[in-house]
Amino acid sequence: GDSVTQMEGPVTLSEEAFLTINCTYTATGYPSLFWYVQYPGEGLQLLLKATKADDKGSNKGFEATYRKETTSFHLEKGSVQVSDSAVYFCALSLNAGGTSYGKLTFGQGTILTVHP
Amino acid sequence: NAGVTQTPKFRVLKTGQSMTLLCAQDMNHEYMYWYRQDPGMGLRLIHYSVGEGTTAKGEVPDGYNVSRLKKQNFLLGLESAAPSQTSVYFCASSYRMGVYEQYFGPGTRLTVT
Repeated sequence: GDSVTQMEGPVTLSEEAFLTINCTYTATGYPSLFWYVQYPGEGLQLLLKATKADDKGSNKGFEATYRKETTSFHLEKGSVQVSDSAVYFCALSLNAGGTSYGKLTFGQGTILTVHP
Repeated sequence: NAGVTQTPKFRVLKTGQSMTLLCAQDMNHEYMYWYRQDPGMGLRLIHYSVGEGTTAKGEVPDGYNVSRLKKQNFLLGLESAAPSQTSVYFCASSYRMGVYEQYFGPGTRLTVT
């Protein structure tokens, strides 16, 4: 079946450090890939997305590139801030075909804590 | 524009009790979803709806029922609550499925004792 695997957390960084959160996927069809972020006490919100191979999604200094050859969509940020502390979820949705068509399949989430 | 709202925010139930969670959206979205979030497991889809009057099962539908009588509302019911249903429940909506962003509510924290 379709699945998403994220690097295990929690991840703890100092402010201005470089961030990478790994995400790999298995899909029976052609997925779109997403990163959602959940700030403390809130629901999830879309951070960025990519809909086809080699696309790069970016938002708020975060970037992720859709790599079909390695089935990956790693999240990166060059300089994190305390306000980036949150839970980050990688997710996929099939564009066509497969049992997961149209529905989001989430990874387990990675907790990020940034210290001043 | 409130987006997606959920009521209640917190609830404690005893085993065997029933309750309904209400989700409302004001974005005129056709598609609505109910997820549960458990530690280390991400979000799992319980049920979803592709339009008013429709419902469909997701990944973990057992023990839950849903109704979509009005386009803006999506109700999640627990007929006989069990401790395994202790979780945080999120509602979401989207314009379409697939590449389109899902908008999430703030969640309902449910504890079943």
